[in-house]
Amino acid sequence: DVKVTQSSRYLVKRTGEKVFLECVQDMDHENMFWYRQDPGLGLRLIYFSYDVKMKEKGDIPEGYSVSREKKERFSLILESASTNQTSMYLCASRDGLAFSSYNEQFFGPGTRLTVL
Amino acid sequence: AQSVTQPDIHITVSEGASLELRCNYSYGATPYLFWYVQSPGQGLQLLLKYFSGDTLVQGIKGFEAEFKRSQSSFNLRKPSVHWSDAAEYFCAVAASGNTGKLIFGQGTTLQVKP
Repeated sequence: DVKVTQSSRYLVKRTGEKVFLECVQDMDHENMFWYRQDPGLGLRLIYFSYDVKMKEKGDIPEGYSVSREKKERFSLILESASTNQTSMYLCASRDGLAFSSYNEQFFGPGTRLTVL
Repeated sequence: AQSVTQPDIHITVSEGASLELRCNYSYGATPYLFWYVQSPGQGLQLLLKYFSGDTLVQGIKGFEAEFKRSQSSFNLRKPSVHWSDAAEYFCAVAASGNTGKLIFGQGTTLQVKP
C-alpha cells in the first residue's frame, strides 16, 4: 500500500527556532512536494523536488528551505520560525515526469505546527 | 493568473440526499482538473480527475464530476450521501506551462446530518 509519512502530527515551537519537518515516501516516486494548508486558502505549494538534490520554488517559498539528499526523503526547514508560519503542513509525492501533472499526488497526514 | 474557486465554504446535507460541490476555474486551454477529499486527520486522497474525452468522469466512493467548458466548471456530485462522506473537498487544476504543479481551491467542508 502506498504510503507517505510525516515525522510529527503536532509540533509546537518558539519564535526564532529552527524547525525541521520530515517526509518519507515508500513508493520510489521521483517527485515530492511541500504544501501549507490554511483555512479559506486551500493548499499552497511551498517547494517541490523532482529528483535528489533538485528543487523548485512553489508559490510561497519565503521563509522556507528544503533538502532532498535521498530519493525517499524530503525535508522542509524553517530557518527561523515565526508566528505567521503556524499552519498545517502537508507532504506529497508523485510518480512520473517532473513537469507533468498527469499522475496522482499521494499525501501524508500532515503536521500541525504551532509557533509561539 | 490561473485560479480555482470553490464558492461554498461549508455545505450541510442530510444523509441519503444528493450532493453537488461547485468548482470554477480560470484557464485558457483545456485544463487538467482534479477533486481530492481530506477526511478528518487524514491526508488528501484523489477522488477523480479529468484530462480529456468524456466530460462526465467517474471516481471512487460513488462520486462523479462533469466538465463544462462553457461554464468553466467542474462540479462534483454524488446521488446519495453517506455519513462517512463528511470531509473537506478540494478542487484543483494543473498549472499551465507543464510545471508539474497543482493549483488548489479554497476547499468546501461537507457536513452530513443523520
